Amino acid sequence: AQKITQTQPGMFVQEKEAVTLDCTYDTSDQSYGLFWYKQPSSGEMIFLIYQGSYDEQNATEGRYSLNFQKARKSANLVISASQLGDSAMYFCAIYRVQGAQKLVFGQGTRLTINP
Amino acid sequence: NAGVTQTPKFQVLKTGQSMTLQCAQDMNHEYMSWYRQDPGMGLRLIHYSVGAGITDQGEVPNGYNVSRSTTEDFPLRLLSAAPSQTSVYFCASISGLGVPGSPLHFGNGTRLTVT
Repeated sequence: AQKITQTQPGMFVQEKEAVTLDCTYDTSDQSYGLFWYKQPSSGEMIFLIYQGSYDEQNATEGRYSLNFQKARKSANLVISASQLGDSAMYFCAIYRVQGAQKLVFGQGTRLTINP
Repeated sequence: NAGVTQTPKFQVLKTGQSMTLQCAQDMNHEYMSWYRQDPGMGLRLIHYSVGAGITDQGEVPNGYNVSRSTTEDFPLRLLSAAPSQTSVYFCASISGLGVPGSPLHFGNGTRLTVT
């Protein structure tokens, strides 16, 4: 079975600092993908970044990057130069390339950026 | 583009009542799914569908029914609402089954309270 673990229920960071949100996963699949989503207080789910299991480079999207360590089964999200608008819940999810049940989510991390 | 449309946004039910949460997408996505979000639990998969006429159970299917008569629509039915079904419900769809990197597109959620 696929499983995602996010060990940080909450994090508090000063504005402009970099922040790392942890995500570890468990899967027996050889081909899979890892997503990060942001959920602000308004409730919508916003796609941030994707990393494929065969991607050789770590994914980057603007201020977001993914520190992918396949052997350790970790896919940590790094946000550089944090902003007040980054305060939100962040969810890591694993995507199955094979099989019908596509996405399994972690419990989430609530990030608060302090001015 | 409308994307994934969920209705209603809010709903209050009494124990034992039934209702249907509507979900429609206009992106011709094969895969559609329903999640529920509870505090500290992340998003848990209720039911999913890989195409019209095909549905299957996710992690927490009890108390919910689905059907997929068209590619566009994937309604979620609560047959006899219980307080344990108080939650926020998300419908989501994805294109390109087996194509890595396609993000899950979420609706804006339905906040359901069962008294």
